[in-house]
Amino acid sequence: DIQMTQSPSTLSASVGDRVTITCRASQSISRWLAWYQHKPGKAPKLLIYKASSLGSGVPSRFSGTGSETEFTLTISSLQPDDFATYYCLQCNSHPYTFGQGTKLEIK
Amino acid sequence: EVQLVESGGGLVQPGGSLRLSCAGSGFIFSSYWIHWVRQAPGKGLVWVSRVNHDGSSATYADSVQGRFTISRDNAKNTVYLQMNSLRAEDTAVYYCARDLEYHFDYWGQGTPVTVSS
Repeated sequence: DIQMTQSPSTLSASVGDRVTITCRASQSISRWLAWYQHKPGKAPKLLIYKASSLGSGVPSRFSGTGSETEFTLTISSLQPDDFATYYCLQCNSHPYTFGQGTKLEIK
Repeated sequence: EVQLVESGGGLVQPGGSLRLSCAGSGFIFSSYWIHWVRQAPGKGLVWVSRVNHDGSSATYADSVQGRFTISRDNAKNTVYLQMNSLRAEDTAVYYCARDLEYHFDYWGQGTPVTVSS
């Protein structure tokens, strides 16, 4: 199985900050990586797919880069609505695997 | 509007069974693979199972292999997750999600499952 190592596990930041979350795959997954935002009691929301493609309706302050084994999600200027937990998901091969999650907290 | 709605969750004793349903609307249901993902209390998201567009192929996480069965009825626009021999560690919110070219573009709100005596 492909292991996804996501870091950091917790991130404290302020409105307006630029933040970056990283996911590392245990083997190459090409660009089959997606990023999700999850808030308690709600459905996870797609942010980025195929490593760098922006999901429908997702603000342009979200961006994704990477390929093979190293991937990043960047939020260019944090907004109050962005404080949530973020997950990466590899869809290169079954079983699909998520990163452990990054909880983005208000500083 | 694309919608996925899960149902069937609840409280069940260890060793018991439960069948979850995922009803889709607003899209051609029979054209899409559907996945189940769960989140245990205080933990992260974990992929559980998937079924292809016509139900002829299914895949499972090792942790549920042999105990869970995924199926679908495209006439009813519904995917099912039959869960047998339930354990305390199966306690979680269960989400279904639509697969669009190797990523999940729409998710349901989830249905909670509690396995406890």
